[in-house]
Amino acid sequence: GIQVEQSPPDLILQEGANSTLRCNFSDSVNNLQWFHQNPWGQLINLFYIPSGTKQNGRLSATTVATERYSLLYISSSQTTDSGVYFCAVKIQGAQKLVFGQGTRLTINP
Amino acid sequence: EAGVAQSPRYKIIEKRQSVAFWCNPISGHATLYWYQQILGQGPKLLIQFQNNGVVDDSQLPKDRFSAERLKGVDSTLKIQPAKLEDSAVYLCASSSDRANEQFFGPGTRLTVL
Repeated sequence: GIQVEQSPPDLILQEGANSTLRCNFSDSVNNLQWFHQNPWGQLINLFYIPSGTKQNGRLSATTVATERYSLLYISSSQTTDSGVYFCAVKIQGAQKLVFGQGTRLTINP
Repeated sequence: EAGVAQSPRYKIIEKRQSVAFWCNPISGHATLYWYQQILGQGPKLLIQFQNNGVVDDSQLPKDRFSAERLKGVDSTLKIQPAKLEDSAVYLCASSSDRANEQFFGPGTRLTVL
């Protein structure tokens, strides 16, 4: 099945710093989503981005489908950005959304 | 628009007991998913429904897990009997069709003692 690898596994930053999270996948996809899992376990939708670039406030994402990777950018980090960020993909013809192992982001004040 | 609803939020049971979780998807969403998330890992699909039919249950441990979506709206996931390794968060999600964006509920955190 498709492999989804996220890097780095852990990231610790000071408030105000910028960060880039990466998601590599092993096959062509027709669905790619980025989620933020908050400390209470809720998965918050950040982006639905099977290709191209999107921005939402301090967050933006780019997926280069032909090269099988996606990047999530967080600018001017705040402590509320802390949590685990997941990338999840679905390949054409498959049913399930396959998640990476996540990147745990800690923003210190 | 209301999000995906799940209950209960927390459940603690002893091994060999039974437990059931409930999910109500976003109104109008035909596809419903149950995921299991073990601590430190990403969610893994257990079962997917399209309306009230099962699309994928290849990862569902059918000797102890069952799920139904009788009227094509809300769904119930049951574990009987529970094992220690079933301790996890059970997440329900829904989407408007198979390829589009999935939205997740708050999850049910199950602890099996």
